[in-house]
Amino acid sequence: DGGITQSPKYLFRKEGQNVTLSCEQNLNHDAMYWYRQDPGQGLRLIYYSQIVNDFQKGDIAEGYSVSREKKESFPLTVTSAQKNPTAFYLCASSTQSSGANVLTFGAGSRLTVL
Amino acid sequence: GQNIDQPTEMTATEGAIVQINCTYQTSGFNGLFWYQQHAGEAPTFLSYNVLDGLEEKGRFSSFLSRSKGYSYLLLKELQMKDSASYLCAVREKDSWGKLQFGAGTQVVVTP
Repeated sequence: DGGITQSPKYLFRKEGQNVTLSCEQNLNHDAMYWYRQDPGQGLRLIYYSQIVNDFQKGDIAEGYSVSREKKESFPLTVTSAQKNPTAFYLCASSTQSSGANVLTFGAGSRLTVL
Repeated sequence: GQNIDQPTEMTATEGAIVQINCTYQTSGFNGLFWYQQHAGEAPTFLSYNVLDGLEEKGRFSSFLSRSKGYSYLLLKELQMKDSASYLCAVREKDSWGKLQFGAGTQVVVTP
């Protein structure tokens, strides 16, 4: 079955450490996205990529970095520069056409900074 | 940018109907989406509206008025499993899949 796989599901980090969240899709989608979800707030876009080897900053990119070396993979690194990294992180992918381009989401990664 | 407003929480009885409103302001509208999200899980797609009018899919319907910057999601014959957060999201022109999300409406279905 096609879908998006995120790992790990739960992650604990000490302050000052970088962590990398994995996101892999086998939907053959061109575009991939990282969103952050905090209680009482809408999903906020961190980074997105429309094609391999290219990505763009979203609304809250500071303290995060990404890479897109393969179409299937879009890992997110939460760096020590991110001041408040505890959150639920959602990866998504979509086609890019004149149609709906519905986002398909992964199951999420919950990061807690100790 | 966009401003997307939806109620924080709604409670309804099993078998009833609930209507979740969403208002938005955008510089260039190119589609409105509704997603369902159960606690701790991924959002799942419910509906997409780009033209004015009503889209019906089984127990769920979604309505759009572009001139009013308004949409609603109608859930009929509520079931306990419909207890979830419902997310309204808007796409601007030339944004491909990039969406701006509202904070979500938590629907609680009681027996």
